[in-house]
Amino acid sequence: GAVVSQHPSRVICKSGTSVKIECRSLDFQATTMFWYRQFPKQSLMLMATSNEGSKATYEQGVEKDKFLINHASLTLSTLTVTSAHPEDSSFYICSASRLADYNEQFFGPGTRLTVL
Amino acid sequence: AQSVTQPDIHITVSEGASLELRCNYSYGATPYLFWYVQSPGQGLQLLLKYFSGDTLVQGIKGFEAEFKRSQSSFNLRKPSVHWSDAAEYFCAVATAGGTSYGKLTFGQGTILTVHP
Repeated sequence: GAVVSQHPSRVICKSGTSVKIECRSLDFQATTMFWYRQFPKQSLMLMATSNEGSKATYEQGVEKDKFLINHASLTLSTLTVTSAHPEDSSFYICSASRLADYNEQFFGPGTRLTVL
Repeated sequence: AQSVTQPDIHITVSEGASLELRCNYSYGATPYLFWYVQSPGQGLQLLLKYFSGDTLVQGIKGFEAEFKRSQSSFNLRKPSVHWSDAAEYFCAVATAGGTSYGKLTFGQGTILTVHP
C-alpha cells in the first residue's frame, strides 16, 4: 500500500512553454503533498507543501508564479512549470502523506524535465 | 531550523563487507528520523524510520540504524553488503509540529559503490 505515481516520467519541452506534472496517490488519500526538486548529484530540495483544497505553501526562494501547484483532490496534485527555461531542467519528485502515517512521506518515482 | 549532515559523499565497499553510513542531525526536539535509498533516475524508497522507543531500528533489505541522542546521530548499518545495495542513501529528519509539521529536511546523500 501507499503507492504514489507521477506522470510523465520524462518530458522534453522547448523554452517558453509550460509543462504540467501530475502526482497521484493510488491507494490512499493524501492529506498533504510535497514537491521536491533534485539537481544532478545533489540532495532533494523542498519546493512547496500543499494540502487538499488549500493554497500551496512555498519555500523561500521558490517562485510561486513559475511553479504553480494545485491540490484539487485527496489523490491528485499537479505542478505546472510555466514559461520553462533551460535552468528549470531538473528532476522533480513528489511525495504524499496520510493521516494514518502523519510523519511519513511516500515518494513518487520522479519526473525528469529537460528544457531545450 | 533543523539540519542533517552526511559526512561521507561517497563510500566504496567490497561485496560481503560490512557497511556504516553516518548521519548527524540538528533539531531542538525529539527528532523523527528516516533513511531513504535512491537508485539512479528513481524516486526514494524508505529503508527505516525512528519515531520513539527502541533506539535500534530494523529496516528492509537487512539494514538497521541506531539513534544516539547524545551524539545526535542516526547511523545506518548493514552487516554484509550485496552488489544490489549500490545506490545513493539519504538521511532525513522531519519536523514534529507547527505549520511545518511533517516537513522533511534531507542530508546531502552518500553514494555507495560496491565492488565485486
